[in-house]
Amino acid sequence: DAKTTQPPSMDCAEGRAANLPCNHSTISGNEYVYWYRQIHSQGPQYIIHGLKNNETNEMASLIITEDRKSSTLILPHATLRDTAVYYCIVRSLYNQGGKLIFGQGTELSVKP
Amino acid sequence: DGGITQSPKYLFRKEGQNVTLSCEQNLNHDAMYWYRQDPGQGLRLIYYSQIVNDFQKGDIAEGYSVSREKKESFPLTVTSAQKNPTAFYLCASSIRGADTEAFFGQGTRLTVV
Repeated sequence: DAKTTQPPSMDCAEGRAANLPCNHSTISGNEYVYWYRQIHSQGPQYIIHGLKNNETNEMASLIITEDRKSSTLILPHATLRDTAVYYCIVRSLYNQGGKLIFGQGTELSVKP
Repeated sequence: DGGITQSPKYLFRKEGQNVTLSCEQNLNHDAMYWYRQDPGQGLRLIYYSQIVNDFQKGDIAEGYSVSREKKESFPLTVTSAQKNPTAFYLCASSIRGADTEAFFGQGTRLTVV
Protein backbone atom coordinates (compact mmCIF):
# COMPACT_ATOMS: atom_id res chain seq x y z
CA ASP A 1 0.00 0.00 0.00
CA ALA A 2 1.27 3.43 -0.87
CA LYS A 3 2.03 5.45 2.22
CA THR A 4 1.60 9.14 2.90
CA THR A 5 3.70 11.44 5.09
CA GLN A 6 2.33 14.66 6.57
CA PRO A 7 3.61 17.11 9.18
CA PRO A 8 1.94 16.34 12.51
CA SER A 9 0.74 19.88 13.11
CA MET A 10 0.46 23.32 11.53
CA ASP A 11 -0.85 26.73 12.52
CA CYS A 12 -2.58 29.23 10.28
CA ALA A 13 -3.92 32.73 10.89
CA GLU A 14 -7.62 33.24 10.30
CA GLY A 15 -8.31 34.63 6.83
CA ARG A 16 -5.00 33.48 5.42
CA ALA A 17 -4.43 30.54 3.10
CA ALA A 18 -3.59 27.23 4.73
CA ASN A 19 -1.22 25.07 2.68
CA LEU A 20 -1.04 21.47 3.85
CA PRO A 21 1.69 19.35 2.28
CA CYS A 22 1.68 15.60 1.72
CA ASN A 23 4.35 13.24 0.47
CA HIS A 24 3.29 10.05 -1.34
CA SER A 25 6.45 9.04 -3.15
CA THR A 26 5.40 5.39 -3.65
CA ILE A 27 2.08 6.17 -5.29
CA SER A 28 1.33 4.06 -8.34
CA GLY A 29 -0.22 5.15 -11.59
CA ASN A 30 -3.81 4.13 -10.83
CA GLU A 31 -3.95 5.49 -7.29
CA TYR A 32 -5.80 8.65 -6.43
CA VAL A 33 -4.97 11.26 -3.82
CA TYR A 34 -7.87 12.03 -1.50
CA TRP A 35 -8.12 14.56 1.31
CA TYR A 36 -10.44 14.25 4.27
CA ARG A 37 -10.68 16.17 7.49
CA GLN A 38 -11.93 15.12 10.89
CA ILE A 39 -13.19 17.30 13.67
CA HIS A 40 -12.84 15.69 17.06
CA SER A 41 -15.13 12.69 17.63
CA GLN A 42 -16.90 13.06 14.29
CA GLY A 43 -16.74 11.07 11.09
CA PRO A 44 -14.21 12.20 8.46
CA GLN A 45 -15.48 14.71 5.93
CA TYR A 46 -14.50 14.53 2.28
CA ILE A 47 -12.69 17.58 0.90
CA ILE A 48 -11.30 16.85 -2.55
CA HIS A 49 -9.49 14.26 -4.64
CA GLY A 50 -7.44 14.01 -7.82
CA LEU A 51 -5.38 11.69 -9.99
CA LYS A 52 -2.81 13.89 -11.70
CA ASN A 53 -4.42 17.20 -12.57
CA ASN A 54 -4.91 20.03 -10.13
CA GLU A 55 -8.44 20.20 -8.78
CA THR A 56 -10.58 22.91 -7.20
CA ASN A 57 -13.97 22.87 -5.54
CA GLU A 58 -15.89 25.12 -3.18
CA MET A 59 -13.87 23.96 -0.18
CA ALA A 60 -10.28 23.75 -1.38
CA SER A 61 -7.72 23.34 -4.12
CA LEU A 62 -5.48 20.33 -4.65
CA ILE A 63 -2.11 20.76 -6.31
CA ILE A 64 -0.38 17.53 -7.39
CA THR A 65 3.22 17.65 -8.58
CA GLU A 66 3.99 16.47 -12.08
CA ASP A 67 5.74 13.33 -10.81
CA ARG A 68 2.77 12.73 -8.47
CA LYS A 69 5.06 12.13 -5.51
CA SER A 70 3.61 14.94 -3.45
CA SER A 71 0.61 17.19 -3.22
CA THR A 72 -0.64 20.27 -1.38
CA LEU A 73 -4.11 20.99 -0.10
CA ILE A 74 -4.94 24.69 -0.09
CA LEU A 75 -7.71 26.21 2.01
CA PRO A 76 -7.79 29.69 0.46
CA HIS A 77 -9.24 31.66 3.40
CA ALA A 78 -9.02 29.63 6.59
CA THR A 79 -11.63 30.15 9.29
CA LEU A 80 -11.75 28.97 12.88
CA ARG A 81 -14.13 26.21 11.78
CA ASP A 82 -11.36 24.76 9.61
CA THR A 83 -9.49 23.67 12.73
CA ALA A 84 -9.34 19.88 12.35
CA VAL A 85 -7.09 16.93 11.55
CA TYR A 86 -6.48 16.72 7.81
CA TYR A 87 -5.74 13.37 6.23
CA CYS A 88 -3.99 12.88 2.92
CA ILE A 89 -4.97 9.46 1.57
CA VAL A 90 -3.88 7.34 -1.35
CA ARG A 91 -6.68 5.23 -2.74
CA SER A 92 -6.63 2.44 -5.26
CA LEU A 93 -10.10 1.67 -6.55
CA TYR A 94 -9.06 -1.93 -7.14
CA ASN A 95 -7.13 -2.73 -3.96
CA GLN A 96 -9.17 -4.09 -1.08
CA GLY A 97 -12.39 -2.71 -2.38
CA GLY A 98 -11.14 0.81 -2.78
CA LYS A 99 -10.19 1.22 0.84
CA LEU A 100 -8.88 4.54 2.09
CA ILE A 101 -5.42 4.22 3.65
CA PHE A 102 -5.19 6.72 6.49
CA GLY A 103 -1.93 8.03 7.92
CA GLN A 104 -1.48 10.12 11.04
CA GLY A 105 -2.77 13.34 9.49
CA THR A 106 -1.93 17.00 10.12
CA GLU A 107 -3.59 18.79 12.99
CA LEU A 108 -4.38 22.26 11.65
CA SER A 109 -5.02 25.02 14.18
CA VAL A 110 -6.53 28.19 12.79
CA LYS A 111 -5.90 31.07 15.15
CA PRO A 112 -7.65 34.47 15.34
CA ASP B 1 -31.94 12.94 3.45
CA GLY B 2 -29.42 10.53 1.95
CA GLY B 3 -26.63 9.45 4.20
CA ILE B 4 -25.00 6.86 6.37
CA THR B 5 -26.18 6.29 9.92
CA GLN B 6 -24.39 4.62 12.77
CA SER B 7 -26.03 3.73 16.03
CA PRO B 8 -25.68 4.08 18.89
CA LYS B 9 -23.29 7.02 19.25
CA TYR B 10 -22.00 5.73 22.60
CA LEU B 11 -21.96 2.12 23.75
CA PHE B 12 -20.80 0.56 26.99
CA ARG B 13 -20.27 -3.15 27.45
CA LYS B 14 -18.78 -5.45 30.02
CA GLU B 15 -15.65 -7.35 29.17
CA GLY B 16 -16.38 -10.74 27.63
CA GLN B 17 -19.64 -9.72 25.95
CA ASN B 18 -20.16 -9.56 22.24
CA VAL B 19 -21.61 -6.30 20.92
CA THR B 20 -23.02 -5.37 17.52
CA LEU B 21 -22.64 -1.92 15.98
CA SER B 22 -25.17 -0.82 13.39
CA CYS B 23 -24.41 0.86 10.05
CA GLU B 24 -27.15 1.74 7.56
CA GLN B 25 -26.92 3.71 4.32
CA ASN B 26 -29.57 4.89 1.85
CA LEU B 27 -27.13 6.06 -0.81
CA ASN B 28 -27.50 2.89 -2.90
CA HIS B 29 -23.77 2.23 -2.50
CA ASP B 30 -22.38 -1.23 -3.17
CA ALA B 31 -19.20 -0.85 -1.13
CA MET B 32 -19.19 -0.51 2.65
CA TYR B 33 -16.31 -0.37 5.13
CA TRP B 34 -15.62 -0.57 8.84
CA TYR B 35 -12.72 1.33 10.37
CA ARG B 36 -11.36 1.56 13.86
CA GLN B 37 -9.74 4.68 15.32
CA ASP B 38 -7.69 4.83 18.51
CA PRO B 39 -6.84 8.10 20.27
CA GLY B 40 -4.46 10.27 18.24
CA GLN B 41 -4.32 7.74 15.42
CA GLY B 42 -5.56 7.46 11.88
CA LEU B 43 -8.24 5.02 10.81
CA ARG B 44 -7.50 1.33 10.26
CA LEU B 45 -9.62 -0.95 8.08
CA ILE B 46 -11.39 -3.84 9.83
CA TYR B 47 -13.66 -5.31 7.12
CA TYR B 48 -15.07 -4.27 3.80
CA SER B 49 -17.81 -5.46 1.49
CA GLN B 50 -18.22 -4.75 -2.19
CA ILE B 51 -21.53 -6.52 -2.80
CA VAL B 52 -24.31 -8.18 -0.84
CA ASN B 53 -23.42 -11.52 0.74
CA ASP B 54 -19.71 -10.93 0.27
CA PHE B 55 -17.14 -9.34 2.56
CA GLN B 56 -13.39 -9.40 3.04
CA LYS B 57 -11.00 -8.94 5.95
CA GLY B 58 -9.15 -5.70 6.21
CA ASP B 59 -5.92 -5.03 8.06
CA ILE B 60 -7.15 -5.69 11.62
CA ALA B 61 -10.03 -8.20 11.34
CA GLU B 62 -9.13 -10.42 14.28
CA GLY B 63 -11.83 -10.40 16.96
CA TYR B 64 -14.46 -8.89 14.66
CA SER B 65 -17.19 -10.29 12.43
CA VAL B 66 -19.57 -8.76 9.89
CA SER B 67 -22.51 -9.66 7.70
CA ARG B 68 -23.92 -8.13 4.54
CA GLU B 69 -27.38 -9.57 4.01
CA LYS B 70 -28.81 -6.34 2.61
CA LYS B 71 -27.24 -3.66 0.47
CA GLU B 72 -28.18 -0.97 2.98
CA SER B 73 -26.79 -2.62 6.08
CA PHE B 74 -23.32 -3.72 7.24
CA PRO B 75 -23.34 -4.51 10.98
CA LEU B 76 -20.09 -5.11 12.86
CA THR B 77 -19.86 -7.48 15.83
CA VAL B 78 -17.05 -6.94 18.29
CA THR B 79 -16.48 -10.32 19.86
CA SER B 80 -14.96 -11.26 23.19
CA ALA B 81 -11.88 -12.38 21.24
CA GLN B 82 -10.98 -8.77 20.45
CA LYS B 83 -8.31 -7.95 23.02
CA ASN B 84 -8.64 -4.16 23.01
CA PRO B 85 -12.19 -3.35 21.89
CA THR B 86 -12.45 0.13 23.38
CA ALA B 87 -12.20 2.47 20.38
CA PHE B 88 -14.07 4.78 18.01
CA TYR B 89 -15.67 2.79 15.18
CA LEU B 90 -16.48 4.37 11.83
CA CYS B 91 -18.51 3.01 8.96
CA ALA B 92 -18.21 4.27 5.39
CA SER B 93 -19.78 3.59 2.01
CA SER B 94 -18.95 4.40 -1.58
CA ILE B 95 -19.82 3.57 -5.17
CA ARG B 96 -17.84 0.47 -6.11
CA GLY B 97 -14.92 1.03 -8.47
CA ALA B 98 -15.57 4.71 -9.02
CA ASP B 99 -13.34 7.64 -8.18
CA THR B 100 -15.94 9.32 -6.05
CA GLU B 101 -15.96 10.18 -2.39
CA ALA B 102 -16.57 7.71 0.38
CA PHE B 103 -19.12 8.89 2.92
CA PHE B 104 -18.59 8.30 6.62
CA GLY B 105 -21.05 7.92 9.45
CA GLN B 106 -20.66 9.85 12.68
CA GLY B 107 -19.13 6.91 14.49
CA THR B 108 -19.83 4.76 17.55
CA ARG B 109 -17.62 5.14 20.59
CA LEU B 110 -17.40 1.76 22.29
CA THR B 111 -16.15 1.47 25.85
CA VAL B 112 -15.60 -1.93 27.38
CA VAL B 113 -15.29 -2.05 31.15
